[in-house]
Amino acid sequence: DGGITQSPKYLFRKEGQNVTLSCEQNLNHDAMYWYRQDPGQGLRLIYYSQIVNDFQKGDIAEGYSVSREKKESFPLTVTSAQKNPTAFYLCASSGNRGSSYEQYFGPGTRLTVT
Amino acid sequence: ILNVEQSPQSLHVQEGDSTNFTCSFPSSNFYALHWYRWETAKSPEALFVMTLNGDEKKKGRISATLNTKEGYSYLYIKGSQPEDSATYLCALGGSARQLTFGSGTQLTVLP
Repeated sequence: DGGITQSPKYLFRKEGQNVTLSCEQNLNHDAMYWYRQDPGQGLRLIYYSQIVNDFQKGDIAEGYSVSREKKESFPLTVTSAQKNPTAFYLCASSGNRGSSYEQYFGPGTRLTVT
Repeated sequence: ILNVEQSPQSLHVQEGDSTNFTCSFPSSNFYALHWYRWETAKSPEALFVMTLNGDEKKKGRISATLNTKEGYSYLYIKGSQPEDSATYLCALGGSARQLTFGSGTQLTVLP
């Protein structure tokens, strides 16, 4: 089945450690996105990539890094510089130019840093 | 950072009632307006993407309208059912198809 996978579903880390969240899609989409959700808030854009080997900062990129070496994969690294890393992280992708703008979301990863 | 506002924040209705929510957004540099439904323990799913002023879209009992000149969109649910219980997210699309989300309206339909 086509879709987006994120792993793991739950992730626990000690403060000061970097952690990488996985996002893979087999929808052949060019664009991929990372969002963060905190309680009582909407989804906020961290980073996005419109094409392989290119990505742009979103609204809250500080303390995060990404790579886009393959079309199917857009991993997000939460670095020790991120002051409040505990959150729910969602990855999404959207169709290619000329197609619908709608985004397809993965199941999310809940990161807890103590 | 764009400001996308949704109201109400939460809503409880009885099964069979019709309801509607509001999404307001800055009307300048408009590209697209999205509505998503996010059920508990699932991923957000797209309901509608609207790009033109005056757009009206419908999917079953759910419909949406768009006014880009005054910067608002309405989502309507006719004859609410318990399975409609979810958080409904509005998002403003940017030039790179990135989205700026509102904080959502949490709907609970009571049987």
